[in-house]
Formats: sequence, structure tokens, C-alpha cells
Amino acid sequence: ETGVTQTPRHLVMGMTNKKSLKCEQHLGHNAMYWYKQSAKKPLELMFVYSLEERVENNSVPSRFSPECPNSSHLFLHLHTLQPEDSALYLCASSQGIAGGPETQYFGPGTRLLVL
Amino acid sequence: GQNIDQPTEMTATEGAIVQINCTYQTSGFNGLFWYQQHAGEAPTFLSYNVLDGLEEKGRFSSFLSRSKGYSYLLLKELQMKDSASYLCAVMDSNYQLIWGAGTKLIIKP
Repeated sequence: ETGVTQTPRHLVMGMTNKKSLKCEQHLGHNAMYWYKQSAKKPLELMFVYSLEERVENNSVPSRFSPECPNSSHLFLHLHTLQPEDSALYLCASSQGIAGGPETQYFGPGTRLLVL
Repeated sequence: GQNIDQPTEMTATEGAIVQINCTYQTSGFNGLFWYQQHAGEAPTFLSYNVLDGLEEKGRFSSFLSRSKGYSYLLLKELQMKDSASYLCAVMDSNYQLIWGAGTKLIIKP
């Protein structure tokens, strides 16, 4: 595997379910990001991790819970979601410590539908 | 507040040239990025401008004017595979990326 991978690619869940999204980067990067992408809206930054420590949380609802066990893996745990949470969830990574002018490399995303 | 503006959709003809504009108002500036995103796929990096002027990379070029808060992405010799969304993003003074909503480019034969 190369680059940034995400699983699953598609997910349908009910509002009472608990699920997790997984992201893995094979680039040797130190920073990882979760974004939400809704149709015709700008990318919304949700969480940033640098060297496995969370450095940014843009007031995301607590029903989204990130986990970064090491610099290569990032999870987004989901519980009691709302239909408006349906979107494409993108993971990205960048080379150094988050906070510098670096290029971010994205995974293909998980298309989430909440019923 | 911080704002990135780009057209929602553009249409162009195969073989032609198209220019996608992006204007921005941000708190500080640490560079401007262009990404390409095909439907259902990951955004992929195209270019980064931090100084004024034109950066050319094959069929794609990106221009920046910091004094005007303006950038454009120029695509030459358009191919059908260039049909995609093009995302403009500015890195602000906190090194956070501020994203535009993207421009959907439709290429017609």
C-alpha cells in the first residue's frame, strides 16, 4: 500500500449505531488530519494530530471521537450521529510537525450516510 | 472573517484553455494551494504559491498576487480527464488551511 488509505470506503449507519473510520498513512509523516467534506461546501477541519498528540479540535461535537495510537494510524469513532453528519470524511497527512507550510496528502475518503 | 471565493462550476472544451480564479481574505498568509479532486476520489496536490508570480508545471500553471488576494489556476490543452473539482486553499497565519468550496470543471468534447 502506498500513500494514505481509508476504510471503509462507504458506510451506512443508524443514529444509534457505533462505528469507526480508519486511516493509515504509508508516507512516514508525523501529522494527520480529519476533514469533513459536504456537497458544495469547503472542507471543514475536524481534528489535527502531531506526533500522536491532538493539537487542534475545531469545536467538533463529542459524538465524533478521534484516536491516534501511532503516527501511522488515525481513527474516528462515531456514535449517536445525526443525519446532517452524512458527508465524505477525508483523512490527510503531512510531513513534519503540524503548524508549518506543508503539503497535505489525502486519502480517498469514507462516504458516510446516517439514516 | 476568513473567506475563499471561487466559481462553483465552469465548462470548457477539450483542447482549449481554462482559467479558474480564486480570491481570498485571510488573517495572514503562508501560501496558497491548488488541489484536484475527481468525483469519489482523494484531493491530489497540484501547486503551491507563496511568492507573487506564475508557477508552471506542464499543462497546469498557477498565479498569485498577494496584494490583490488573488490566484488563478490555468489549464492548457484540456483533456477529458481534467474534468474534476479544483480546490483553492490558503494557509493563514496559524498555518491552518482555509478552503474554498471548489470549482467543478466540466470538459466537453
